[in-house]
Amino acid sequence: DSGVTQTPKHLITATGQRVTLRCSPRSGDLSVYWYQQSLDQGLQFLIQYYNGEERAKGNILERFSAQQFPDLHSELNLSSLELGDSALYFCASSIHSGGADTQYFGPGTRLTVL
Amino acid sequence: GQSLEQPSEVTAVEGAIVQINCTYQTSGFYGLSWYQQHDGGAPTFLSYNALDGLEETGRFSSFLSRSDSYGYLLLQELQMKDSASYFCAVRDLGNTPLVFGKGTRLSVIA
Repeated sequence: DSGVTQTPKHLITATGQRVTLRCSPRSGDLSVYWYQQSLDQGLQFLIQYYNGEERAKGNILERFSAQQFPDLHSELNLSSLELGDSALYFCASSIHSGGADTQYFGPGTRLTVL
Repeated sequence: GQSLEQPSEVTAVEGAIVQINCTYQTSGFYGLSWYQQHDGGAPTFLSYNALDGLEETGRFSSFLSRSDSYGYLLLQELQMKDSASYFCAVRDLGNTPLVFGKGTRLSVIA
């Protein structure tokens, strides 16, 4: 158990819908990262927050947005969902914002768009 | 930007040794990390190299050569439970996120 929690574990929805994925980082970690992993693909970095502020942005679609709240939990919002958005979405956390920080991953949310 | 190359698949026999290579291209370089991911599971941290040389953690070792932009993960005394995907990842200088390779799927056979 990494100490990072994600809810829900599974999510099945229809095209065009909007969903929210939730992540609680390890106690004491200030950074939260979101990744997308499609079938047989690597981990695609979406976005990073550090202590409530956006720190880095990857290949995140405009239909996707995220935020980190004062209690450091984070939410990833996916809207106007398409079939291609079906994937595993991982949240990871680390103490600081980079450098040699180890990232600890949550169990992931499996999103299926029908 | 950054790019990483690692073999897509490797098969090895239980009890043997296997080496998974990773070459990278980055404008700057902070360190090379390795993560393990079992099917359906979350990636878990294995090792981190910032300096040249070998880091050993039990049955797993990781090596880095900064001058060659190359590293590898060495798994010894392979066990069936080592069957998983292994990702190398690099971080550029500054506050940049980890960039992961596409992963190497290791299959351990009896």
